[in-house]
Amino acid sequence: AQSVSQHNHHVILSEAASLELGCNYSYGGTVNLFWYVQYPGQHLQLLLKYFSGDPLVKGIKGFEAEFIKSKFSFNLRKPSVQWSDTAEYFCAVGLYGNNRLAFGKGNQVVVIP
Amino acid sequence: GAVVSQHPSWVICKSGTSVKIECRSLDFQATTMFWYRQFPKQSLMLMATSNEGSKATYEQGVEKDKFLINHASLTLSTLTVTSAHPEDSSFYICSAMGDSNYGYTFGSGTRLTVV
Repeated sequence: AQSVSQHNHHVILSEAASLELGCNYSYGGTVNLFWYVQYPGQHLQLLLKYFSGDPLVKGIKGFEAEFIKSKFSFNLRKPSVQWSDTAEYFCAVGLYGNNRLAFGKGNQVVVIP
Repeated sequence: GAVVSQHPSWVICKSGTSVKIECRSLDFQATTMFWYRQFPKQSLMLMATSNEGSKATYEQGVEKDKFLINHASLTLSTLTVTSAHPEDSSFYICSAMGDSNYGYTFGSGTRLTVV
């Protein structure tokens, strides 16, 4: 069955530090990849997505992610975090041609001012 | 941008009663809506997919008679938790997809507590 793995559920870092969150999936076919963010008390919002083309995807708020097909990975990065990046981040994978999404368990990121 | 309203945001009910959760797309027509359940420190688990005017497709292990889903219009889907029990306490989230490919918009979720 398709699965999505996110490691290091809790991440604590200081402002201006760099952030990288890993995402690995198990499905071997063509996939669409997403990163969502959930700020405290708010709904899930799309950070970025990858369907095809340039494997380096730039999203909102300075986030980017790189699709590495050989590693079945879609890691999220931000060079310099801010306190306002404190949130929970979810990686999601959709099978090509199928609308259903499978989510990882999420990363709780806390940025200390 | 696209907005999905989910109501109520939280509800407490007695064991054995039923609870209805609404999910509305406010400024677009949602051809497909999804219902998820999220346990603490767990990922969102897809419960079912509903298309307007047709029966919902439930994921394996999800009881269709317990979690009734209705998608009667292009802007409204409802999830009814029937004969709720404490183990049904969870965070339920809907998302709606319009015409654009993979244009998912999520509701703010409903915290259900069954006592």
